[in-house]
Amino acid sequence: AQRVTQPEKLLSVFKGAPVELKCNYSYSGSPELFWYVQYSRQRLQLLLRHISRESIKGFTADLNKGETSFHLKKPFAQEEDSAMYYCALYTDKLIFGTGTRLQVFP
Amino acid sequence: EPEVTQTPSHQVTQMGQEVILRCVPISNHLYFYWYRQILGQKVEFLVSFYNNEISEKSEIFDDQFSVERPDGSNFTLKIRSTKLEDSAMYFCARGGQDSGYTFGSGTRLTVV
Repeated sequence: AQRVTQPEKLLSVFKGAPVELKCNYSYSGSPELFWYVQYSRQRLQLLLRHISRESIKGFTADLNKGETSFHLKKPFAQEEDSAMYYCALYTDKLIFGTGTRLQVFP
Repeated sequence: EPEVTQTPSHQVTQMGQEVILRCVPISNHLYFYWYRQILGQKVEFLVSFYNNEISEKSEIFDDQFSVERPDGSNFTLKIRSTKLEDSAMYFCARGGQDSGYTFGSGTRLTVV
């Protein structure tokens, strides 16, 4: 079955602390994975795609096929990073995880 | 790329009424999608639309739902007889595999 799991509903950190948002997937094929961010009551915005191996707003994510994970990381969290983060798997459509709310306190 | 725009941004309707949610303008993409997000819950796939036809639909997308591309640019989601549980944010998206999807700003549907 195709599934995306984000085990943490809420992650709270202080400004400047490192952040890791966990994502695990289940898919028998070669995965195409994305991270989307949703700021308060706004649209879903593409943050990262694994194929481009880019760093956006200081965030990075590495695909680990052995652990079937695609965790999102940032070494120093900022208050403006507070948002909902969704990991998504593309098969013939995007399948989203349940999301993790990141709260960054000053 | 131009953004995906949805109208209205918020619609309140009475239970049993029909609603049409619009996604405009659309560039020359072939793939379109509708997703919904019930408050506090995950983003759920409703339907994918390819080359002017439904290519896949979820179990949520029952006979009360329909999609159209009436004039080659607008992309609409119709709910024929709304229920309370249809209250949600509805997002349309365009895109494909490698580029990820571009989502619209969403329509908040409130059924009372």
